[in-house]
Amino acid sequence: GAVVSQHPSRVICKSGTSVKIECRSLDFQATTMFWYRQFPKQSLMLMATSNEGSKATYEQGVEKDKFLINHASLTLSTLTVTSAHPEDSSFYICSASRDSSQPQHFGDGTRLSIL
Amino acid sequence: AQSVTQLGSHVSVSEGALVLLRCNYSSSVPPYLFWYVQYPNQGLQLLLKYTTGATLVKGINGFEAEFKKSETSFHLTKPSAHMSDAAEYFCAVTGAQGGSEKLVFGKGTKLTVNP
Repeated sequence: GAVVSQHPSRVICKSGTSVKIECRSLDFQATTMFWYRQFPKQSLMLMATSNEGSKATYEQGVEKDKFLINHASLTLSTLTVTSAHPEDSSFYICSASRDSSQPQHFGDGTRLSIL
Repeated sequence: AQSVTQLGSHVSVSEGALVLLRCNYSSSVPPYLFWYVQYPNQGLQLLLKYTTGATLVKGINGFEAEFKKSETSFHLTKPSAHMSDAAEYFCAVTGAQGGSEKLVFGKGTKLTVNP
């Protein structure tokens, strides 16, 4: 149980395009989902906390107009990187939890490469 | 505020040897502590967690960790390393059970297992 699916696993696109990443909880309803960014050989940095039906809470320094997060249902959250540039290239990972009493379960991540 | 320090960005052991990965935390509230493992180009998998109760926590794949409040530590151990244990390991802390509150990660320790 507690499977989180992230799609796509890898994206390569040109500078200026927008990229959407999906995070789905496959066998449970997730009231809260989290989006992390991981630079090479570094730890995970939380970008934002996404609650179903409400606006995401962004961490300090994360541009909310750049990284659009939508949590339209209890099983799906999306991260859209708008007008992506090479500096946005990174490994993006989502996580989800059933409720506050359960640990977070992570997706397999999305490797984003902007040319 | 919370923080995590993982001592040693790289640890190398021989197959069959003891694995010890160190984690110290700082938390202004009673901490909930986690160890996650990450294989290349994948998300994070929960190894074990400490919330309350027994301070020695057993996890998957033969790993265990002991919560020592007096030392603010949560070191991860495994009696006998296996080649498949080679991966990146992250210690994380939160003030709740990690469900609806954000995790603060350490910088990670890369474990190499030599034949």
